[in-house]
Amino acid sequence: DAGVIQSPRHEVTEMGQEVTLRCKPISGHNSLFWYRQTMMRGLELLIYFNNNVPIDDSGMPEDRFSAKMPNASFSTLKIQPSEPRDSAVYFCASRARRGAFNTDTQYFGPGTRLTVL
Amino acid sequence: AQSVTQLDSHVSVSEGTPVLLRCNYSSSYSPSLFWYVQHPNKGLQLLLKYTSAATLVKGINGFEAEFKKSETSFHLTKPSAHMSDAAEYFCVVSGSLNNNDMRFGAGTRLTVKP
Repeated sequence: DAGVIQSPRHEVTEMGQEVTLRCKPISGHNSLFWYRQTMMRGLELLIYFNNNVPIDDSGMPEDRFSAKMPNASFSTLKIQPSEPRDSAVYFCASRARRGAFNTDTQYFGPGTRLTVL
Repeated sequence: AQSVTQLDSHVSVSEGTPVLLRCNYSSSYSPSLFWYVQHPNKGLQLLLKYTSAATLVKGINGFEAEFKKSETSFHLTKPSAHMSDAAEYFCVVSGSLNNNDMRFGAGTRLTVKP
C-alpha cells in the first residue's frame, strides 16, 4: 500500500488566496483526520471523519477553514481566504475500522507545508 | 479527558549510549499509548503502541516502552543510540471509548552526537 497520500507537498500562496489541500487515505480505512503542526502550538487535531461523515470539527480554527470528504478515498481541507498565520504543516491521517481490524493506530501522510505570504 | 506530558523538550545523547525519552499521561479510561517519530521534513511514523496487552512494548528500530500504571508513565528507551535516531518524538494518549480523541505531547527533540 502506498500509505496516506497528500498533495501538494509544498504550497506557497499570498494572503487572501484560496488554498486547497488534498488527502487520499489508505484503502480500507474508514476514519480520516486532519492535523495542523506549528512550532508554537505543536500538533493540533482540526477535524475528523468516520465513514465520510464529519464527526468533530471543534478544532477548526475559524470559518475560513472547511473540510470535505466526498467519498472514502478522498478528502480536502480548504482555507479561504488564507492568512499568514495559517502557515504550518498540515497532516492527514487515516485509521482502519476498529471492529474489522481491531486497531486504533493512525497512519500519517507526509504533510503539506503551507506558507502564506 | 486525557492528556500527555513529555518531560523533556530536548534530549542529547552520544552515539552508542542509551536513550530515555520520558512521557507521563492522564486518562479517564484505560488508555492506549503510542510513540511516533518524525524525521525532519517528514510525516509521523508509528514506533510502537500499548493497548492493554503486555506492559513492555517493543517497537521498530530497537525502541521499546514500558507502561507503568502506578506511575502513569510510558517512557521510551533504546539501549544504544544511532545517528539515524535523531528526530522529534511524540508521545500520544488515546483514552476515549471510541479512540478518536488522541492527545499529542509537545514532542522531544533527540540529538545524537558522534
